[in-house]
Amino acid sequence: GNSVTQMEGPVTLSEEAFLTINCTYTATGYPSLFWYVQYPGEGLQLLLKATKADDKGSNKGFEATYRKETTSFHLEKGSVQVSDSAVYFCALSRSSSNTGKLIFGQGTTLQVKP
Amino acid sequence: DGGITQSPKYLFRKEGQNVTLSCEQNLNHDAMYWYRQDPGQGLRLIYYSQIVNDFQKGDIAEGYSVSREKKESFPLTVTSAQKNPTAFYLCASRTSRDRTDTQYFGPGTRLTVL
Repeated sequence: GNSVTQMEGPVTLSEEAFLTINCTYTATGYPSLFWYVQYPGEGLQLLLKATKADDKGSNKGFEATYRKETTSFHLEKGSVQVSDSAVYFCALSRSSSNTGKLIFGQGTTLQVKP
Repeated sequence: DGGITQSPKYLFRKEGQNVTLSCEQNLNHDAMYWYRQDPGQGLRLIYYSQIVNDFQKGDIAEGYSVSREKKESFPLTVTSAQKNPTAFYLCASRTSRDRTDTQYFGPGTRLTVL
């Protein structure tokens, strides 16, 4: 069945460091791929998305490219800030089911130190 | 401002009691979803509804019930049959006009069983 696997956290970085959070997936068909961010005590916010192979989603300095050949959607940012500290979730849509349901990875906690 | 509201933010329940979590959206979205989040884990789907007066079980529906009498509202009842209800509950919605299946989330309700 469809699934999402994220790198385990926590990921601890110094401010201005380069960030990569790995996400790989298994899916039938052509799902949409998403990154959501969750700040402490809050709900999830959509960070970026990509809907077809080779699409690049970007927002707030974060980027991710839909790689069908490697079934990956890795999240990157060139220079992280303390305010980026949060939990990041990779997700995919169950495109074949027509229900709009999403499958989430387990989340990766990012801690950025000044 | 359009958005999704969940109330209350914190909820305490005694064992054996039913409790209802509120979710309201003014985005004119057709579909609504309830997820459960446990520490260090991803989101698990409890129930979802694609249209008024219709809803389907998700992956972990046992011990929960929902209703969808109005498009704007999708309350979740946690019954006494739910063995371990302490968790963070998230509501989300989606418009059927968006073929990418993007979901938008509320701020969440943290339920604690005493």
